[in-house]
Amino acid sequence: GEDVEQSLFLSVREGDSSVINCTYTDSSSTYLYWYKQEPGAGLQLLTYIFSNMDMKQDQRLTVLLNKKDKHLSLRIADTQTGDSAIYFCAESRGSSASKIIFGSGTRLSIRP
Amino acid sequence: GAVVSQHPSWVICKSGTSVKIECRSLDFQATTMFWYRQFPKQSLMLMATSNEGSKATYEQGVEKDKFLINHASLTLSTLTVTSAHPEDSSFYICSAPGGSLREQYFGPGTRLTVT
Repeated sequence: GEDVEQSLFLSVREGDSSVINCTYTDSSSTYLYWYKQEPGAGLQLLTYIFSNMDMKQDQRLTVLLNKKDKHLSLRIADTQTGDSAIYFCAESRGSSASKIIFGSGTRLSIRP
Repeated sequence: GAVVSQHPSWVICKSGTSVKIECRSLDFQATTMFWYRQFPKQSLMLMATSNEGSKATYEQGVEKDKFLINHASLTLSTLTVTSAHPEDSSFYICSAPGGSLREQYFGPGTRLTVT
């Protein structure tokens, strides 16, 4: 199974909030990331959170980190059609924390 | 911002041939680069860590004799898929860490199709 786990699909109505959840395994991860991948496009770093933080907000994005439960979530407020994509949770590993391990990805679809 | 390029962006080859994919950091130096493979509708799987001046380190289950990695310079890593088979068809993505731990720059990917 995946070391970093996510649900595969999420469908939300346009204008609602989307919450994508992720669980990870390495408690020593320095950074946790959320990446976005649109069809036919490369990876786009959406946001990241340092492991000693609980929350980070960046415009419509809110990241919550529960280190005790190794749970990470991404909330997208006022979801738009342009938010349709696959969202990958990822954790940093290795002595330099530069190795990134990805979750399975959550495909977010927006319905009108 | 920092840019990582890959060449080619897509390639079709016949079974049994070898294919080389290049990953370049365009405006920064990278002593380490990472190679990932992504199958359709699946996640990115880390294949190996490319190290300038030393051997690559491979993840468990990745055949190092099949996926040859050479970190030729501080701005170039190459992945050679040797004796390619149809099951090697995939999207190969490289990345390079930037100056701080949170920065990881990804290439646009190379789509390999083996017929």
